[in-house]
Amino acid sequence: AQTVTQSQPEMSVQEAETVTLSCTYDTSESDYYLFWYKQPPSRQMILVIRQEAYKQQNATENRFSVNFQKAAKSFSLKISDSQLGDAAMYFCAYRGPGDGGSQGNLIFGKGTKLSVKP
Amino acid sequence: NAGVTQTPKFQVLKTGQSMTLQCAQDMNHEYMSWYRQDPGMGLRLIHYSVGAGITDQGEVPNGYNVSRSTTEDFPLRLLSAAPSQTSVYFCASSRGRVHEQFFGPGTRLTVL
Repeated sequence: AQTVTQSQPEMSVQEAETVTLSCTYDTSESDYYLFWYKQPPSRQMILVIRQEAYKQQNATENRFSVNFQKAAKSFSLKISDSQLGDAAMYFCAYRGPGDGGSQGNLIFGKGTKLSVKP
Repeated sequence: NAGVTQTPKFQVLKTGQSMTLQCAQDMNHEYMSWYRQDPGMGLRLIHYSVGAGITDQGEVPNGYNVSRSTTEDFPLRLLSAAPSQTSVYFCASSRGRVHEQFFGPGTRLTVL
């Protein structure tokens, strides 16, 4: 069974600095999807970034970028120029390939709580 | 578009009571799912549906029932609430499994 591990329950960063959140996963598949979701205190789940495993290029969305290391099964999130509004829980998630059985369902890590200090 | 809506936002139940958490989406998405979020556990899949009339179990289905009579609605039923079901419940939908899942605002449920 696939698993997603976020080894940092809490992280802290100074405003305007850069922080990296770690995520590792376990799968025997070669084609899959990885996601980072942000959950602010409002509780709303917001998609930050997604990565297709078949793409070698790391995904980027404005100040958010990932370091996808397929062989190491690592998918870290880098937040540059951190802002107070970045303070939230961040969840890493995995989705398997195709539509068969439960492969298309999201599997979440336990989350990392990010604090941003002014 | 309202996106994914959930009602109620908050609910307190007594042990043994039953209730239905409502979820609706107006994006004509085929795929819908229910998750529960517990402290330190992330989100775990309860049930999911790949289309009207088709549902299946996720990781933690015990104590919950679902049905999908229309594309828009995917209610989650608690038949006999237990304190272990105290949690935040999220409904999500997507055009297909490989597409982005859109989440509702969640329901905070407390079972006394």
